[in-house]
Amino acid sequence: AQTVTQSQPEMSVQEAETVTLSCTYDTSENNYYLFWYKQPPSRQMILVIRQEAYKQQNATENRFSVNFQKAAKSFSLKISDSQLGDTAMYFCAFRGLYNFNKFYFGSGTKLNVKP
Amino acid sequence: ETGVTQTPRHLVMGMTNKKSLKCEQHLGHNAMYWYKQSAKKPLELMFVYSLEERVENNSVPSRFSPECPNSSHLFLHLHTLQPEDSALYLCASSPSRGGASGELFFGEGSRLTVL
Repeated sequence: AQTVTQSQPEMSVQEAETVTLSCTYDTSENNYYLFWYKQPPSRQMILVIRQEAYKQQNATENRFSVNFQKAAKSFSLKISDSQLGDTAMYFCAFRGLYNFNKFYFGSGTKLNVKP
Repeated sequence: ETGVTQTPRHLVMGMTNKKSLKCEQHLGHNAMYWYKQSAKKPLELMFVYSLEERVENNSVPSRFSPECPNSSHLFLHLHTLQPEDSALYLCASSPSRGGASGELFFGEGSRLTVL
């Protein structure tokens, strides 16, 4: 079974600075998808960014980018110019290419953006 | 309404009560999920309904009973729960066959407290 590990239970960053959240995973599959989800306090979880394993180029969505290291099975999320609205739980998730309904989540990192 | 809607948002019940959580999606997806979210733990998949299969996590106690009358509605029936069942229960949906990457779309969750 796949496992996803987020080793940072909680992190803090000053507004406007950059922060990197770590995620590692374990799989024997060669093609798969990786996701970062954001869950603001008392609000619904939304997708931040996704990466297809067969693409070498790191995904970017505005201030959010990933560092995908396939050989190392590492998938970190970088948030640039942090904003107060970035305060949330962040979950890393894995889904195999063909197992459409099987998602594996990490335990989350609580990010606090300080003014 | 759009997206994934869950009711009730908050539920307090005694161990002898019978209650139900409801989820409705308006995204035209063919797969729906129940996840249990407990503090500092990975999201735990409880049940999946899709065109192809119903998948259960074998560790889910029988006091949780899912029902999926159609592709837009999902219920979680609760009966004789235990205090350790207190958690946030998340409903999600996705395209059954994966779509672009088959990401999950979440509802806001139902916060369950068992007294």
